[in-house]
Amino acid sequence: QKEVEQDPGPLSVPEGAIVSLNCTYSNSAFQYFMWYRQYSRKGPELLMYTYSSGNKEDGRFTAQVDKSSKYISLFIRDSQPSDSATYLCAARGDTGRRALTFGSGTRLQVQP
Amino acid sequence: EPEVTQTPSHQVTQMGQEVILRCVPISNHLYFYWYRQILGQKVEFLVSFYNNEISEKSEIFDDQFSVERPDGSNFTLKIRSTKLEDSAMYFCASRGGQNTGELFFGEGSRLTVL
Repeated sequence: QKEVEQDPGPLSVPEGAIVSLNCTYSNSAFQYFMWYRQYSRKGPELLMYTYSSGNKEDGRFTAQVDKSSKYISLFIRDSQPSDSATYLCAARGDTGRRALTFGSGTRLQVQP
Repeated sequence: EPEVTQTPSHQVTQMGQEVILRCVPISNHLYFYWYRQILGQKVEFLVSFYNNEISEKSEIFDDQFSVERPDGSNFTLKIRSTKLEDSAMYFCASRGGQNTGELFFGEGSRLTVL
């Protein structure tokens, strides 16, 4: 079983739509959860960071972590064509293997 | 805004040659990482470095790889004898401290092995 699983998409939505991106993970030791945005052949850009369970909002972005179901979500409100990119979820623990483990990424296309 | 910088942005090399990829992490960060991403695949962890030594490495990081922090600002990844399958984007990343989770990445160095 992969440690972090993510639907690869592509996900195509019209401009202004609410986008929901999701990941599941298997390692119950994961405590830190991150969402990155990656444009083609560029480095991952940190969007959201959450420690343990809960919600975090930053502008049009909301990250949710439900540790009981091992489910991570990113919501994008009022999506824009400039949001078109690959979104990577990632997680790591406090003990043992502390390196960030990435999902495979979901490719999002926002149509104008 | 502070950022992780990497050089070169693209390097082409012949199989069997040695390559050094360079990174300048964010100033005052304490934890340094190398990841790689083969085209079309997920970002994979290679190695983490803290307090002038390797703190964790993956099964990918075998004897052909080494890392060094030669001075107070640079962090390098050396690939001793490159293979075709080493062709990938190599990302450097840094993190502030023990209790900070955010990991910041550079723009990457694209390595092409011919």
